[in-house]
Amino acid sequence: EDQVTQSPEALRLQEGESSSLNCSYTVSGLRGLFWYRQDPGKGPEFLFTLYSAGEEKEKERLKATLTKKESFLHITAPKPEDSATYLCAVQAGRGSTLGRLYFGRGTQLTVWP
Amino acid sequence: DGGITQSPKYLFRKEGQNVTLSCEQNLNHDAMYWYRQDPGQGLRLIYYSQIVNDFQKGDIAEGYSVSREKKESFPLTVTSAQKNPTAFYLCASSINYNEQFFGPGTRLTVL
Repeated sequence: EDQVTQSPEALRLQEGESSSLNCSYTVSGLRGLFWYRQDPGKGPEFLFTLYSAGEEKEKERLKATLTKKESFLHITAPKPEDSATYLCAVQAGRGSTLGRLYFGRGTQLTVWP
Repeated sequence: DGGITQSPKYLFRKEGQNVTLSCEQNLNHDAMYWYRQDPGQGLRLIYYSQIVNDFQKGDIAEGYSVSREKKESFPLTVTSAQKNPTAFYLCASSINYNEQFFGPGTRLTVL
């Protein structure tokens, strides 16, 4: 069964204190791993797609990396506006369920001044 | 502007009542999805459609129904058979099975 586990469930950082969020997964034939940001009461906002181990992508203070078993979302020198829930999702490469995403429960990040 | 719209933003349902949530996209995406989000849980897939006039059940389809008569539209009906419908409902779309883009969501509350 495909599974996605995110840790920690919640993370509090002081502004400027860098850290990483983890997403571990078990899936048959990973087709893609996706990171989203979700603000309270809003729909998730797409951040990154990673397709193969060793791949890295960056956007402002965020950097996503991928290994064969997990992905990390590194946050460098965070600001209060980075506070949100970060969601990880994986997509399997099997034909009958192609296109489906399996989501983790998210990491709620709070950055205080 | 291209995007996904959901309406209404807030919806209240009485016991035994069916309600329909609207989802429209003008991104020319083939695939559309409905998710349910409850506090402390990940997004759970209700139904998805990869092409017009075809759709598949997700993990929690019981008590819900959908239609896909047009490429742009994928309405979700929450029926009286859904015993615990209070949740945040999210619609998404994608092209070529790549990243999904989400609408703003509908919050449904049972009175």
